[in-house]
Amino acid sequence: AQTVTQSQPEMSVQEAETVTLSCTYDTSESDYYLFWYKQPPSRQMILVIRQEAYKQQNATENRFSVNFQKAAKSFSLKISDSQLGDAAMYFCAQLNPTSGTYKYIFGTGTRLKVLA
Amino acid sequence: GAGVSQSPSNKVTEKGKDVELRCDPISGHTALYWYRQSLGQGLEFLIYFQGNSAPDKSGLPSDRFSAERTGGSVSTLTIQRTQQEDSAVYLCASSTLAGEQYFGAGTRLSVL
Repeated sequence: AQTVTQSQPEMSVQEAETVTLSCTYDTSESDYYLFWYKQPPSRQMILVIRQEAYKQQNATENRFSVNFQKAAKSFSLKISDSQLGDAAMYFCAQLNPTSGTYKYIFGTGTRLKVLA
Repeated sequence: GAGVSQSPSNKVTEKGKDVELRCDPISGHTALYWYRQSLGQGLEFLIYFQGNSAPDKSGLPSDRFSAERTGGSVSTLTIQRTQQEDSAVYLCASSTLAGEQYFGAGTRLSVL
């Protein structure tokens, strides 16, 4: 079964510090996609970063980077130089199109608080 | 418009009434998804449409929920005989095949 687990319901980070959000997943497919989405209090979900499983290089987007460990089925998000605007719910998600479905599987989310 | 548009942004209804929620996806996106999100919770998958294929309705919680997508574009989620437990934010997203999802701002449904 395809699952996504976010074991940290809530995290806090001091402004300008670095924080890592954990995500583990399960799939029997070898080719799939992983995503981190951010949902600020305004509730509009936006994509933070995307990783294709066939790529060994970790994706980066400015202050956001991932640590993709395919064998361990781990996909953590690192936020560097945290800013107040990073405060939000963060959702990890996977997509397994080779399994015959385009249904995204989401984790339960991690609420990130940024302390001034 | 450039993004996914949902209407109304807020809907208050009385228990037992029917409601329709609308989603206008990004032009050219073949996939459209509906999710439900209760306060402070994660996303609950409801249904998705992909091109001309039969929709995946596996997440619809009861037969009071239905959705259609007309002309491969606009989608309507209908909830019949609303119950208080239907109160939530309903999110719509669209994507290209295996692409990232773009989300609308959601419809907050309150059933009194």
